[in-house]
Amino acid sequence: GAGVSQSPRYKVAKRGQDVALRCDPISGHVSLFWYQQALGQGPEFLTYFQNEAQLDKSGLPSDRFFAERPEGSVSTLKIQRTQQEDSAVYLCASSLEPVQETQYFGPGTRLLVL
Amino acid sequence: AQTVTQSQPEMSVQEAETVTLSCTYDTSENNYYLFWYKQPPSRQMILVIRQEAYKQQNATENRFSVNFQKAAKSFSLKISDSQLGDTAMYFCAFMNNNAGNMLTFGGGTRLMVKP
Repeated sequence: GAGVSQSPRYKVAKRGQDVALRCDPISGHVSLFWYQQALGQGPEFLTYFQNEAQLDKSGLPSDRFFAERPEGSVSTLKIQRTQQEDSAVYLCASSLEPVQETQYFGPGTRLLVL
Repeated sequence: AQTVTQSQPEMSVQEAETVTLSCTYDTSENNYYLFWYKQPPSRQMILVIRQEAYKQQNATENRFSVNFQKAAKSFSLKISDSQLGDTAMYFCAFMNNNAGNMLTFGGGTRLMVKP
């Protein structure tokens, strides 16, 4: 079946602009994760959903970052008033079950803030 | 909090030879999972292999195997018969089942397989 998809693949934003990044998880996957990957580094956890419930948002770097998954499938990561330090690849991953499950990653959205 | 360390930023290996990538981690937990992910230049993260901490037997997937040393908190990846398609970034990752299911990643090792 189809894997995790993300859109857009690339986004260039001017500093101060709001952006919205979309993630379509694998159909039927309960858990959804967002990670931020700075250039040359490993991904860092941002937030986690189990169905529509956001169970952990401890990794969100500031209140400018907001994520939602209203119907328990598609998720959107929104960044308000973007700053240059927000430039990174944003990875989405999903897993079938809440615990002990392998996460499957999407291709990521590369965000560049000028 | 858990930390994952990959001490080799870059490695290279000749095609058909064997290479070992190192990973160490720090945790006070006893129940956890460890993963190796591959990220080719296209940036799609792909699972290579996973290890449950309660299992003593080292995981193996075709040419990929791990050396899991729980007491030493070490989790190395061995790639046998290296192929050009193995060229990628490799990330070691830790999952603590008792504190959510997020992955904690190491900084990665860039592997180049040379013809």
